[in-house]
Amino acid sequence: DAGITQSPRHKVTETGTPVTLRCHQTENHRYMYWYRQDPGHGLRLIHYSYGVKDTDKGEVSDGYSVSRSKTEDFLLTLESATSSQTSVYFCAISGGGSQETQYFGPGTRLLVL
Amino acid sequence: GESVGLHLPTLSVQEGDNSIINCAYSNSASDYFIWYKQESGKGPQFIIDIRSNMDKRQGQRVTVLLNKTVKHLSLQIAATQPGDSAVYFCAENRDYGQNFVFGPGTRLSVLP
Repeated sequence: DAGITQSPRHKVTETGTPVTLRCHQTENHRYMYWYRQDPGHGLRLIHYSYGVKDTDKGEVSDGYSVSRSKTEDFLLTLESATSSQTSVYFCAISGGGSQETQYFGPGTRLLVL
Repeated sequence: GESVGLHLPTLSVQEGDNSIINCAYSNSASDYFIWYKQESGKGPQFIIDIRSNMDKRQGQRVTVLLNKTVKHLSLQIAATQPGDSAVYFCAENRDYGQNFVFGPGTRLSVLP
């Protein structure tokens, strides 16, 4: 988890409310990612960023948006949280070369009631 | 900690024995693979990687074997210790870019 922090680490919210999760890195890496992890599934990519203001969708992007206004911060927003978005969310970073290893943050556990 | 996999396959080994964790990948075009370790309540931690131009790569107490013919990857842990107890999963890179596909993982339980 070195160099990557996520906040909050735990959150409980109600259906229909907006939620923003923050990922902060001190490694000056170009690429940042948001994944969700659910029982029985591998990590699934939500969105990723390849630079400031440059983002793209992943496999499970519906219901999520992201923003990256600074190299070190990548925000994930659930516009209107649903119970299906209850999950553990992980941020990852990589240097950006071809097939670079991804390093993960400690995760945020989100419960949507 | 977070429930990262309630119904994962489990491998139980005696402390001091060697462990072998397997992963089948699906895309014959995948050419870069990573093994991660995830302890309860923590994020995945990089263990070792291998590219498709290699069959074997060794690290400290770990060895990764790649069999491209049958699309199989394995992680061998020598002299397994209690601290090795975790979920282990593989990741394959398919697109020559930044997108990885992650397996669901195997839970390793080390018995005293």
